[in-house]
Amino acid sequence: NAGVMQNPRHLVRRRGQEARLRCSPMKGHSHVYWYRQLPEEGLKFMVYLQKENIIDESGMPKERFSAEFPKEGPSILRIQQVVRGDSAAYFCASSPAGGNTEAFFGQGTRLTVV
Amino acid sequence: AQSVTQLDSQVPVFEEAPVELRCNYSSSVSVYLFWYVQYPNQGLQLLLKYLSGSTLVKGINGFEAEFNKSQTSFHLRKPSVHISDTAEYFCAVIPFTGNQFYFGTGTSLTVIP
Repeated sequence: NAGVMQNPRHLVRRRGQEARLRCSPMKGHSHVYWYRQLPEEGLKFMVYLQKENIIDESGMPKERFSAEFPKEGPSILRIQQVVRGDSAAYFCASSPAGGNTEAFFGQGTRLTVV
Repeated sequence: AQSVTQLDSQVPVFEEAPVELRCNYSSSVSVYLFWYVQYPNQGLQLLLKYLSGSTLVKGINGFEAEFNKSQTSFHLRKPSVHISDTAEYFCAVIPFTGNQFYFGTGTSLTVIP
């Protein structure tokens, strides 16, 4: 059973470009969570999704950021018009049910905005 | 609201010595508690978690942690560290009825040969 797969592992974007981060949950997991880790900080919650639904987006910046988890395919975190401050590691976690006590994390996507 | 405080940002320790990484939390509701380890350029790996039952929890790689409700602490310990334990360690909580982790800022453990 493969773990949570995130790709790409590293992503470089110029200011103003779009970044798309993908997360494939573990087999049998229908709940996905995105976290952001800024340098020298812990992880901060961004959004919680189930298939085709956003359950909690209280940690998402109001502008430029969006997330989806379609019926088929991976979850996507999309950042439009990236700025230097978006440079961070973005981690995805998945769980078989809500509550997160059985969550597994992916290896993260490290976004660098130049 | 929930918050997690890891009191030491960096902990150097000699190989085969014991280590304790401290974690305190604040919450208005009951929470589950976790310790994760992050090796350089890697994701988070679960070390151990406290959901209920015995307050002394044993995890992988010889680590253990003790939940102290009165002191709202969940300190991580290992009696004898190895070079391979060098990593970043994160303490986290989830409210019983919540969906998101609240993480501390991490403790960087460096094991010195």
